[in-house]
Amino acid sequence: DGGITQSPKYLFRKEGQNVTLSCEQNLNHDAMYWYRQDPGQGLRLIYYSQIVNDFQKGDIAEGYSVSREKKESFPLTVTSAQKNPTAFYLCASSPRTGGTYNEQFFGPGTRLTVL
Amino acid sequence: AQSVAQPEDQVNVAEGNPLTVKCTYSVSGNPYLFWYVQYPNRGLQFLLKYITGDNLVKGSYGFEAEFNKSQTSFHLKKPSALVSDSALYFCAVSSLSGGYQKVTFGTGTKLQVIP
Repeated sequence: DGGITQSPKYLFRKEGQNVTLSCEQNLNHDAMYWYRQDPGQGLRLIYYSQIVNDFQKGDIAEGYSVSREKKESFPLTVTSAQKNPTAFYLCASSPRTGGTYNEQFFGPGTRLTVL
Repeated sequence: AQSVAQPEDQVNVAEGNPLTVKCTYSVSGNPYLFWYVQYPNRGLQFLLKYITGDNLVKGSYGFEAEFNKSQTSFHLKKPSALVSDSALYFCAVSSLSGGYQKVTFGTGTKLQVIP
């Protein structure tokens, strides 16, 4: 999956707990993204970051938080405020050259299940 | 606002027959279009993209896509389907939004190639 690793592959959470999903890339990409995938809904953007120490909310940021302290790392925390967190989470990265035509490279995903 | 429509949830095709997966888009300005493939429980893999130039774009694994500006379509095609092509296919459109590359994905089309 192109130099992006996500861990863990499967994650189980009890209601009321915060959990953190890891995303690491060795592609030297500036931009990183978190998506949520639900059946029949495609991918929805949670957060994105164009550069270290900067990140922006995507379309469905409520109940999630991120940090970007290092270029290669973009962890996602699913908080207890997220009402329906069971989903498949995908991290992606791309070069940031100012253009709009860069394909994204995806990690293998983390499947989160709330018990 | 930009959007992508994939009108078919599933496409079935016999092995060896040509396949088409449909995609239409809506975006202000020039369209930058992508196709990705996803195998079960995996991240997305980039197949091909249209930036400018020839309306027929060739990509990985023998896939190609035809850009039609008047019909705002970007259909994915392959002359001869393989069983191994069975997967989930996503169309995406990209544009600049606030200085970052905003990507909107379709809901996906499941391709089933029947032996």
